[in-house]
Amino acid sequence: DAGVTQSPTHLIKTRGQQVTLRCSPKSGHDTVSWYQQALGQGPQFIFQYYEEEERQRGNFPDRFSGHQFPNYSSELNVNALLLGDSALYLCASSLGGIGGREQYFGPGTRLTVT
Amino acid sequence: AQKVTQAQTEISVVEKEDVTLDCVYETRDTTYYLFWYKQPPSGELVFLIRRNSFDEQNEISGRYSWNFQKSTSSFNFTITASQVVDSAVYFCALSEWEGSQGNLIFGKGTKLSVKP
Repeated sequence: DAGVTQSPTHLIKTRGQQVTLRCSPKSGHDTVSWYQQALGQGPQFIFQYYEEEERQRGNFPDRFSGHQFPNYSSELNVNALLLGDSALYLCASSLGGIGGREQYFGPGTRLTVT
Repeated sequence: AQKVTQAQTEISVVEKEDVTLDCVYETRDTTYYLFWYKQPPSGELVFLIRRNSFDEQNEISGRYSWNFQKSTSSFNFTITASQVVDSAVYFCALSEWEGSQGNLIFGKGTKLSVKP
């Protein structure tokens, strides 16, 4: 049973550039959530996708955008990168797009902005 | 406002000691869920347990046990006879049925170091 996968594992970008991170949910899951985890902090919710639509959004600027495909995989795009965007980006999948369900996390993408 | 507080930043114990990780939460929802996740050095968050707000029954799973008390808004996690492999950062998280509509609100985590 395939778990949540993310690519790439690591990424180094320059300030002002754009980046795309990818996530494939756990088999059978249809909901994908993205979190940003700064060093030494807990994950912060960015947004959630269900049925190819953004259902909820955390307190992140419009530079952060996403997409969900018909096969439930998802992308996170960040434009005009800032040094403060350096973090571990975690993707989590769950079932049914409702609250209270367990979210299963991928290994994350470590983004470094220089 | 929703909030999860893990007051213990770091805990260090010697193998075979028992250790309790504290978690205090704030929410105005009557329906909510509480979670514990483990994050080993590899970085991947591993789901440990979920409890809903209507079930205050404590739970034991092997060396792990959880104490949920609505009266004190706490959901503490105890590891009995700790092992070196338990070394990780542990996160407590809250999911509200209405307020946050399911997304997870995490505490800042407690780093547990178990020394041989």
